[in-house]
Amino acid sequence: GQNIDQPTEMTATEGAIVQINCTYQTSGFNGLFWYQQHAGEAPTFLSYNVLDGLEEKGRFSSFLSRSKGYSYLLLKELQMKDSASYLCAVREIYNFNKFYFGSGTKLNVKP
Amino acid sequence: GAVVSQHPSRVICKSGTSVKIECRSLDFQATTMFWYRQFPKQSLMLMATSNEGSKATYEQGVEKDKFLINHASLTLSTLTVTSAHPEDSSFYICSAREGTDYGYTFGSGTRLTVV
Repeated sequence: GQNIDQPTEMTATEGAIVQINCTYQTSGFNGLFWYQQHAGEAPTFLSYNVLDGLEEKGRFSSFLSRSKGYSYLLLKELQMKDSASYLCAVREIYNFNKFYFGSGTKLNVKP
Repeated sequence: GAVVSQHPSRVICKSGTSVKIECRSLDFQATTMFWYRQFPKQSLMLMATSNEGSKATYEQGVEKDKFLINHASLTLSTLTVTSAHPEDSSFYICSAREGTDYGYTFGSGTRLTVV
């Protein structure tokens, strides 16, 4: 099975930088995804890591260490609209379309 | 970008009735779509994989006779919650893969409330 852990809730200030961590224990690994989900809405894709290292995309970056079973999502220059839940998801190696999601980290951005 | 439309966005039904939720890929063909359920403050849980022209594949613990899935075309999958009960109240989300290795697009979700 898969076990995906991420903090339940975080608070940060507008304009600051925040790092959301995700650790996973899996029987197989075929990529790690980060999604943003506003309350009552569907998740939207943020990033995808399958190799170790940092992937940068504008204000958002995601890091992966497969040996440590660890990833983080880095959000820079926080804006109020970044207040949302951030979901970490690991894709299974034997079923290319099957994801295991963490329970999400609710980020509160304050002025 | 790829768009997945899900309808209805909200539905309230009486206990014992059935509810159908539609998931459409608007600008791409999806041979495979996925149905998830999300309870409050919990993670998305995959319920089943919907395959065009064949039977859906259900995850362990999901009753196939209760959650009927039909994927009749390359752009439409439907999930019918039969004989709904209050414990079926949840947020149901579909997704479809649009071709790239990481291109999984989610629908806007359906909030089902069974009273």
